[in-house]
Amino acid sequence: GAGVSQTPSNKVTEKGKYVELRCDPISGHTALYWYRQSLGQGPEFLIYFQGTGAADDSGLPNDRFFAVRPEGSVSTLKIQRTERGDSAVYLCASSRGLAGTTGELFFGEGSRLTVL
Amino acid sequence: GQQVMQIPQYQHVQEGEDFTTYCNSSTTLSNIQWYKQRPGGHPVFLIQLVKSGEVKKQKRLTFQFGEAKKNSSLHITATQTTDVGTYFCVNSGGSNYKLTFGKGTLLTVNP
Repeated sequence: GAGVSQTPSNKVTEKGKYVELRCDPISGHTALYWYRQSLGQGPEFLIYFQGTGAADDSGLPNDRFFAVRPEGSVSTLKIQRTERGDSAVYLCASSRGLAGTTGELFFGEGSRLTVL
Repeated sequence: GQQVMQIPQYQHVQEGEDFTTYCNSSTTLSNIQWYKQRPGGHPVFLIQLVKSGEVKKQKRLTFQFGEAKKNSSLHITATQTTDVGTYFCVNSGGSNYKLTFGKGTLLTVNP
């Protein structure tokens, strides 16, 4: 597609429920990132994929969070047993190569998660 | 990534005034990137600076990378209401893939 697509744009769920957030990166971008952004804060790194593998998942807050990218394109961020503190905007970004060198992350519009 | 401090955290200006935000690091940076995020929007890449002393301009925006590659600035001349948003300086630290965002500088412009 023309840009990074994220669905749903908004998700309201109850505490303890399971949610999935989907990201469709720009075609041909091998690198895919998930960030989380709370109100008034900058995006916080969660996980980075190069191709199908999670090259760095050091930002995932705990084992309730998991992400996959089975075919090297679309990625799904999965959150089990959601807690109110998980409420945030989850941003997906992709880049042609390594963002630390090539210099540009393309972000999607984000998925706003609200846990009641 | 390396710890980069950005100041000010907030800036309110009258339309037509200039605006500058600064980023400072205690260690040498391999490169620095700038992103803009409009209210309710997502971060959008503005520029990357790599070379010591580099200066780049985009219309009313001027980006600088310090000689020691430990600081950077973004200057906007004659702000407009379209400049409203949060500006982030972002560094990759020692990583070639992981970009670390700070809190950014929130710019508001009074028309």
